[in-house]
Amino acid sequence: DIVMTQSPDSLPVSLGERATINCKSSQSVLRSSDNKNYLAWYQHKPGQPPKLLIYWASTRESGVPDRFTGSGSGTDFTLTISSLQADDVAVYYCQQYSSSIAWTFGQGTKVEIK
Amino acid sequence: QITLKESGPSLVQPTQTLTLTCTFSGFSLSARGVGVAWIRQPPGKALEWLANIYWSDDKYYSPSLKSRLTIFRDTSNNQVVLIMTNVDPVDTATYYCGNIALGRGRPLAFWGQGTLVTVSS
Repeated sequence: DIVMTQSPDSLPVSLGERATINCKSSQSVLRSSDNKNYLAWYQHKPGQPPKLLIYWASTRESGVPDRFTGSGSGTDFTLTISSLQADDVAVYYCQQYSSSIAWTFGQGTKVEIK
Repeated sequence: QITLKESGPSLVQPTQTLTLTCTFSGFSLSARGVGVAWIRQPPGKALEWLANIYWSDDKYYSPSLKSRLTIFRDTSNNQVVLIMTNVDPVDTATYYCGNIALGRGRPLAFWGQGTLVTVSS
């Protein structure tokens, strides 16, 4: 299995400040066939299903505010919220879908207001 | 418009078999690159991927649960069914199904609202 490890587990950030979440995979999620990183980011709020924010490591899903940015390649990835809004309080998960045999999620990072 | 909805029992006794149904609309599970996934979240814990089924009828399971899971599709009724055998209280979770659109690189762009399953005697 590809193990996904996020850091930190909890991230208190002041409104308007930058939030940075890291995600590391135990194996590369870069597919040589198309040179794409099969890494996604989700936002999960209580009582709601998760929401896809980013796929292919850096492609923003339609309708997602541009303050959300995904970056990285291979085994190291980052989700950045450039200016934290109150509505961004949630748990964020990275997910690899490079392995067609088994997908895996990170353990989640809880973003809260400082 | 793509929608998915999970259904199944809210309470299951330990050792019994859990059957969950995902009823979807707005996409075809016969279209190339399309699939449906099942994911769960135990209370207070992280998301856990369970299984995928694709347009080709290829099926993939979480290695840790593979012996207890079966996924299949009913294309005529736009449904995907997940069966979990020999359930235990640790299987208590909210179970979600999601749309896979790998042809466009999107693993889980659409999700159902989830269904809470409690395993208890």
